[in-house]
Amino acid sequence: NAGVTQTPKFQVLKTGQSMTLQCAQDMNHEYMSWYRQDPGMGLRLIHYSVGAGITDQGEVPNGYNVSRSTTEDFPLRLLSAAPSQTSVYFCASRPPTGLEEFFGPGTRLTVL
Amino acid sequence: AQSVTQPDIHITVSEGASLELRCNYSYGATPYLFWYVQSPGQGLQLLLKYFSGDTLVQGIKGFEAEFKRSQSSFNLRKPSVHWSDAAEYFCAVGSYSGNTPLVFGKGTRLSVIA
Repeated sequence: NAGVTQTPKFQVLKTGQSMTLQCAQDMNHEYMSWYRQDPGMGLRLIHYSVGAGITDQGEVPNGYNVSRSTTEDFPLRLLSAAPSQTSVYFCASRPPTGLEEFFGPGTRLTVL
Repeated sequence: AQSVTQPDIHITVSEGASLELRCNYSYGATPYLFWYVQSPGQGLQLLLKYFSGDTLVQGIKGFEAEFKRSQSSFNLRKPSVHWSDAAEYFCAVGSYSGNTPLVFGKGTRLSVIA
């Protein structure tokens, strides 16, 4: 198993540009989530999904959209990037019989 | 509201010394507790978890943690720190429902000196 994969690893955007951060898992996990990590702030939940077709907002959802059309994929969309969205983004998934989350390697995003 | 507090932002220990990282939680139901480690530039890796049973749990890399319900704590310990343990450590709490998001603390950065 590849586990949780994220692409791209690094990205630089200009203010106002849009982009999609990709996240995929091959473990057949129903639960998936997106976090952002900023210095001194720890991990903050952006959106999560408990299965295909079901998504919900986390602590910091503004400026981000998600959808879940398949069990494997959970993309995160920035419709109009802002400098405040400069961060490291982590995707994670959780098995149905456990509560721990498995994390991807992260995407480092810079918005100029 | 659920919350996790890691009181120490940054800790420095000497190689070979013992380590204890503190974690306090506030949770309405029976908590399920986790410690994760993040090496520089990497994702988070699960060190150990507590669901029920023995309150002293063993994890990977020689770490252990003790759940103390009366103190709402889940402190992480290691008897002898290695230079490779330098990383950021996160405590997290979850609930019995598998569909409830985890709540993370803000992390403790560990530096190891010779």
